[in-house]
Amino acid sequence: EVQLVESGGGLVQPGGSLRLSCAASGFTFSSYWMSWVRQAPGKGLEWVANIKQDGSEKYYVDSVKGRFTISRDNAKNSLYLQMNSLRAEDTAVYYCARELQWLVANYFDYWGQGTLVTVSS
Amino acid sequence: SSELTQDPAVSVALGQTVRITCQGDSLRSYYASWYQQKPGQAPVLVIYGKNNRPSGIPDRFSGSSSGNTASLTITGAQAEDEADYYCNSRDSSGNHLFGGGTKLTVL
Repeated sequence: EVQLVESGGGLVQPGGSLRLSCAASGFTFSSYWMSWVRQAPGKGLEWVANIKQDGSEKYYVDSVKGRFTISRDNAKNSLYLQMNSLRAEDTAVYYCARELQWLVANYFDYWGQGTLVTVSS
Repeated sequence: SSELTQDPAVSVALGQTVRITCQGDSLRSYYASWYQQKPGQAPVLVIYGKNNRPSGIPDRFSGSSSGNTASLTITGAQAEDEADYYCNSRDSSGNHLFGGGTKLTVL
């Protein structure tokens, strides 16, 4: 059974840092792209970043470029999101999602339960 | 533009058919995927690719696409289908886009 379990969320002050983790199990982690998707309270889904199987390619939404860093450790079956210079608008539930990419399609077939990040003084 | 546009809310009578649409330039090049999200839960994939359903998704869910518009159709809507629905696709620079979501009410 595929499982994705996020951790590391919490309350942080503006300008602070937080590192999210996602523990994967039930599949060959190193064979899949992985993404972080967030959802602000009462709002819609927003893709944040993704990373290729071997970590050689990473992409970010413009609003987090230069502040967030996605990484993975295939030996530990884990995905990470280092978040620096946090802003109030980064407050959201952050989901880890497994991503499938084809030539003309992509989709997120498994999602974690999410971890809440609150940026507030 | 790199956006996906959805109607904010749609309603359907129990047992009737409803179509939820998603518009965006990226849909001319990439298929949409669709996600169902119920309150307090993580999103669930319901349609991907041309018109594919993951295992466990009822066959009353189907997808289609024409030009810059992708559609999710629920044929014979059930009470348990009441949820928020989001479309997603990729754009040419490798980024991912989500629509703003459609709140489906089953009357």
